[in-house]
Amino acid sequence: DIQMTQSPSSLSASLGDRVTITCRTSQDITTSLNWYQTKPGKAPKLLISAAYTLQTGVPSRFSGSGSGTDFTLNINSLQPEDFAVYFCQQSGSFPVTFGQGTRLDMK
Amino acid sequence: ELQLAESGGGVIEPGKSLGLSCSVSGEVSGLTFDDFAMHWVRQLPGKALEWVAGISWNSDRITYADSVKGRFTVSRDNAKSALFLQLKSLRPEDTALYYCAKSDNWDDVVLESWGQGALVTVSS
Repeated sequence: DIQMTQSPSSLSASLGDRVTITCRTSQDITTSLNWYQTKPGKAPKLLISAAYTLQTGVPSRFSGSGSGTDFTLNINSLQPEDFAVYFCQQSGSFPVTFGQGTRLDMK
Repeated sequence: ELQLAESGGGVIEPGKSLGLSCSVSGEVSGLTFDDFAMHWVRQLPGKALEWVAGISWNSDRITYADSVKGRFTVSRDNAKSALFLQLKSLRPEDTALYYCAKSDNWDDVVLESWGQGALVTVSS
């Protein structure tokens, strides 16, 4: 199985800040890496697929980068609706695996 | 737009069985339920996400996480646009919010649409 190491596990930031979340995989997955946002009581939301492809409707302040085993999710100019939990996920082989999650809350 | 809605959750005793359903409606880019691979993903009480099972569009490929293999069974009915998960020999560690989700491709599991989840609590 491909192991996912996501960091940090939690992060406090202020409105307007830029934050970075990283995800490392135990094997080379080229760009088969996706990022999701979760909020209580809501369906998880796909933000970025294939490491850097922004989904339709997702604000451009979200961006993804990386390939191989090291990946990054950046959020520029934090907005109130961005405070949530974020997960990375590898989609290249079964079993599909997720990172442990990063809780982003307001400082 | 695709809408997914899970049902069938509840409180169940260890060792017992439970069935979950996921009803899918709508379309995306002209594609409907029987065009997609479907998956079950659970969110554990500590909030981690765990992929549980996947089924291809025509049910010819099915795969499970090791943690549920032999106890859970995934199936689908394309005529009814419905996905199912049969949970047997339930354990307290199966307590979770169970989501259904779709991916366009079997070989690249990008979970583009999700339901709101069905809560399963395994407790005596």
